[in-house]
Amino acid sequence: DAKTTQPTSMDCAEGRAANLPCNHSTISGNEYVYWYRQIHSQGPQYIIHGLKNNETNEMASLIITEDRKSSTLILPHATLRDTAVYYCIVRVANYAGNMLTFGGGTRLMVKP
Amino acid sequence: DAGVTQSPTHLIKTRGQQVTLRCSPKSGHDTVSWYQQALGQGPQFIFQYYEEEERQRGNFPDRFSGHQFPNYSSELNVNALLLGDSALYLCASSLGLRGPNTGELFFGEGSRLTVL
Repeated sequence: DAKTTQPTSMDCAEGRAANLPCNHSTISGNEYVYWYRQIHSQGPQYIIHGLKNNETNEMASLIITEDRKSSTLILPHATLRDTAVYYCIVRVANYAGNMLTFGGGTRLMVKP
Repeated sequence: DAGVTQSPTHLIKTRGQQVTLRCSPKSGHDTVSWYQQALGQGPQFIFQYYEEEERQRGNFPDRFSGHQFPNYSSELNVNALLLGDSALYLCASSLGLRGPNTGELFFGEGSRLTVL
């Protein structure tokens, strides 16, 4: 799986949009981009995934650049409960298994 | 709809002992995987079970073993515990072995193991 690069930490004001970047310049054409988050003392939580088109669900939006070498996870109106470590993961489509390769992630701090 | 449940939530062992951790997958899920998360690091894949067989394994020694039961629940066993085995052990479940959603894992809250 392609390696990802994320900033170590970011701050965001409560109520503002949080934009979390991820670089995956070596991504292959058959690899999806997944985002998970882990709130302190809890298990990771799936947020969203995409292949090449932008995706949106009730939690977030995922914007993937046209060359697919980077992506941005957008939390449109961040709340204090969004404070967590956010992991960007690249994974082969239709991969036969559950293995996810977590990196260090971005520690997002939402401040009042 | 019950999510992934793990037990025990916390436990303390001494070096050389053995430990068994348990996991019940989310209702309707048939695939279980285990991850180890050391303090301050991301989770690391240990192995995955589907149809009661180990299907994939990460870079962990044979001291780590597992089992999946007919009801899809799973156990993680670690023998000859080392200080470095102290970590949060996470169980995750999903449906099926292949398909577009096999990357959508549901994680439990984890079992925190301390080895003294």
